[in-house]
Amino acid sequence: EIVLTQFPGTLSLSPGEGATLSCRASQSVSSKYVAWYQQKPGQAPRLLIFGSSNRATGIPDRFSGSGSGTDFTLTISSLEPEDFAVYYCQQYGSSPPNTFGQGTRLEIK
Amino acid sequence: EVQLVESGGGLVQPGGSLRLSCAASGFTFSSYWMHWVRQGPGKGLVWVSRISDESSTTYADSVKGRFTIYRDNAKNTLYLQMNSLRAEDTGVYYCASEPTHTGYYYMDVWGKGTTVTVS
Repeated sequence: EIVLTQFPGTLSLSPGEGATLSCRASQSVSSKYVAWYQQKPGQAPRLLIFGSSNRATGIPDRFSGSGSGTDFTLTISSLEPEDFAVYYCQQYGSSPPNTFGQGTRLEIK
Repeated sequence: EVQLVESGGGLVQPGGSLRLSCAASGFTFSSYWMHWVRQGPGKGLVWVSRISDESSTTYADSVKGRFTIYRDNAKNTLYLQMNSLRAEDTGVYYCASEPTHTGYYYMDVWGKGTTVTVS
């Protein structure tokens, strides 16, 4: 089973700052199989990025994804108030077919 | 509008059963793979089960043998039959859709979730 480890666990930043969220896999993952989701309190997750670097429909271009092999990154270029949430990376594998990281909480400093 | 609406959650005793439903609208349900993902209180997302467009199924080890995922394409509805429920099955259960034949693997639309409490 591929384990995804996200860091930091919590990131405290101010609006206007940039954010870098990391996701490390326990073994190499195809970049086509990595996605990122945003979840706000009391809401369902929302797809942000698929295939490591492709923004989902309607996602602002301040969100970008990158990475390959075992290391993947979600970058938010300039934080808006609505960006403070929990972010999860996810990978598609063979057994089990889907795993999520434990999440990074992005909070207002 | 593309939409997934879960129902069927509730309070059940350990060892009991529940059937969750997920009604899909606004897209060609039969062409999509579908998932159940759960989230324990204050915890992260945990994948539970998946069913392909051709009804091939896969389960997390933690629910294998207890949960059954199935779909009714005529009713545009996804189901999760949950038996032998345990306290650790408590949480919000989301259904999510996965588009096929894109070359990528991701869950693009999520329902708002239904809450299951085993106590």
